[in-house]
Formats: sequence, C-alpha cells, structure tokens
Amino acid sequence: DAKTTQPPSMDCAEGRAANLPCNHSTISGNEYVYWYRQIHSQGPQYIIHGLKNNETNEMASLIITEDRKSSTLILPHATLRDTAVYYCIVSITGANSKLTFGKGITLSVRP
Amino acid sequence: GAVVSQHPSWVICKSGTSVKIECRSLDFQATTMFWYRQFPKQSLMLMATSNEGSKATYEQGVEKDKFLINHASLTLSTLTVTSAHPEDSSFYICSVSGRGRTGELFFGEGSRLTVL
Repeated sequence: DAKTTQPPSMDCAEGRAANLPCNHSTISGNEYVYWYRQIHSQGPQYIIHGLKNNETNEMASLIITEDRKSSTLILPHATLRDTAVYYCIVSITGANSKLTFGKGITLSVRP
Repeated sequence: GAVVSQHPSWVICKSGTSVKIECRSLDFQATTMFWYRQFPKQSLMLMATSNEGSKATYEQGVEKDKFLINHASLTLSTLTVTSAHPEDSSFYICSVSGRGRTGELFFGEGSRLTVL
C-alpha cells in the first residue's frame, strides 16, 4: 500500500471548519483514500473514502486533488467531540483489503 | 455501518494465564476480520487477518502460537493471548470487512488487556 504523510497535529476553533491535509504521492491507480478517526480509548471510526472524485457524507467532505497525490478531509463545523486522531490511509478496495495505519494527525478542537 | 462488538472491554489477568477476546459482527456476515494491537500513544498495528473457516494469516513478527485466532463462524472471531506476560498488555481491536463491501472497515470498541 502507498504511504501517507500527515502533520502530527493541528487545532481549530469550535464551529469553524477543520481542514486536515494528507499527502499520498505514491498512490497507485486502484488505491482508494480512506479516512478514519479514533477518539481516545475507542476503536477507530470510519469517516469517508474516495477514489478520484470529491465525496461528501453526513460527517465530512473529502477533496482529492486531480493528480490524486494529496487530499483534504473537511469537517465543516467542528465540535469538541471531533477532537481525535485522524488517520488517512490509502489501500486497494475489496472485502479482504487490510488497512495499515500510520501515526495520524491529532485534531484538537478548542472552545 | 456495521456493528461490531468486542468482549470483554477490559480484562486484568495474572502473568502466565491465557485470555480470550471475542469479536462479533452483529448485523452482517463477516468473511474476514482483522485484529489490531495498539500500545499507548502509538498507532494501530495489524496483527492478523482472520478468515472464516480457515487459518488466520499473521503479520510478520506476530507469533501465531502466542496469539491464537479462531474464526469459526461468519459472526464470531476470537483472539486468545496465551501465557500472557506484562509486555502483552495492550489495547486489542478487531475490525470487520464483509462480502460486497467497498473496503471500509468497521471496528469494535476495543479490549484493554492488563497483565500483572
């Protein structure tokens, strides 16, 4: 699987948009970009994934650059409960695909 | 998304004993489950892939005789930490990937093991 690079941490104010960047310059054509988050002492939670088009769901938006070498996860209105470690992972899809977690980015939402 | 349940959520045991952790897929049949381990302030590390009806596939460096995995049905996989030692103390997390899914994994709540 391609490797991803994320800043170690960032913070944002409650109610503002949180834009979490991820670089995946070695991504191959059949690899998807997945985002998960882990709130302290809980199992990771799936957020969103995409291949080349931008994606949006009830939790977040995923913006993938045209060359697919980077992406941004957008939490449109961050709340204190969004404080967590966010993992950007690239992987082929399929029921048996395993995900390799990097260090992620710690997002701190301040009041 | 899928609902995945782990039991127990935390366990304390004496060194040398064995501990079994269960992972259940509550709302769909899971042909594949994954077991991860997470030490404090570190990321998740994949330990093994559990396939229903066959032997688990272990990642490099993970002792298969130490961490026994059984995936006897489409809704249950178990991880047994045999002869546990303090260095096995960790957060163990399972995840589920089912047929027809597009690759997203759904994780259990995790099981925190403390070996005294």
